[in-house]
Amino acid sequence: KQEVTQIPAALSVPEGENLVLNCSFTDSAIYNLQWFRQDPGKGLTSLLLIQSSQREQTSGRLNASLDKSSGRSTLYIAASQPGDSATYLCAAVTGANNLFFGTGTRLTVIP
Amino acid sequence: NAGVMQNPRHLVRRRGQEARLRCSPMKGHSHVYWYRQLPEEGLKFMVYLQKENIIDESGMPKERFSAEFPKEGPSILRIQQVVRGDSAAYFCASSPFRDRNNEQFFGPGTRLTVL
Repeated sequence: KQEVTQIPAALSVPEGENLVLNCSFTDSAIYNLQWFRQDPGKGLTSLLLIQSSQREQTSGRLNASLDKSSGRSTLYIAASQPGDSATYLCAAVTGANNLFFGTGTRLTVIP
Repeated sequence: NAGVMQNPRHLVRRRGQEARLRCSPMKGHSHVYWYRQLPEEGLKFMVYLQKENIIDESGMPKERFSAEFPKEGPSILRIQQVVRGDSAAYFCASSPFRDRNNEQFFGPGTRLTVL
């Protein structure tokens, strides 16, 4: 069964700093990996989706990488802003076509 | 093109009552997924449906929970005889095809509180 882990559980950084969020998964036979953002009391906003054949995806200040062989993905956020404060979730799709979520990293960007 | 819609956004029930959560997928999407987020826990898959079919219900509790996605109308997640432990946020997602490379788009969720 797929297990997804995210480290750290919480992170506080000063505004403007670059940061990396980590995601690891136990079953490397994934079809894709998605990164989401969740604001308190709100739904999920999809940030990036990386297909299993891809190594990375970029959207604005966000860059996500995928290393299937090592079971790892990272989300890089450049020049962080207070508006980036949220919980970031990674999720892997395996054979059953449903998403296995990590427990998230709660990010606080301090002005 | 409206996104995934869920209603109600907040639902309060007393123990023993029934809860009905609705999900309207994005236009053109025929695949619906339900996830549950318990307090201080990650999202967990519950059930995957296509129109009139349950494809995978491996994450559904064996009792009191059921889901449907009729030919017409929204998908319904039904919880009978709710208990306090059912209090959670329930999220619905949809995708256009049964393709594991398809992105799933999430609704805003229904927050169920059981008194």
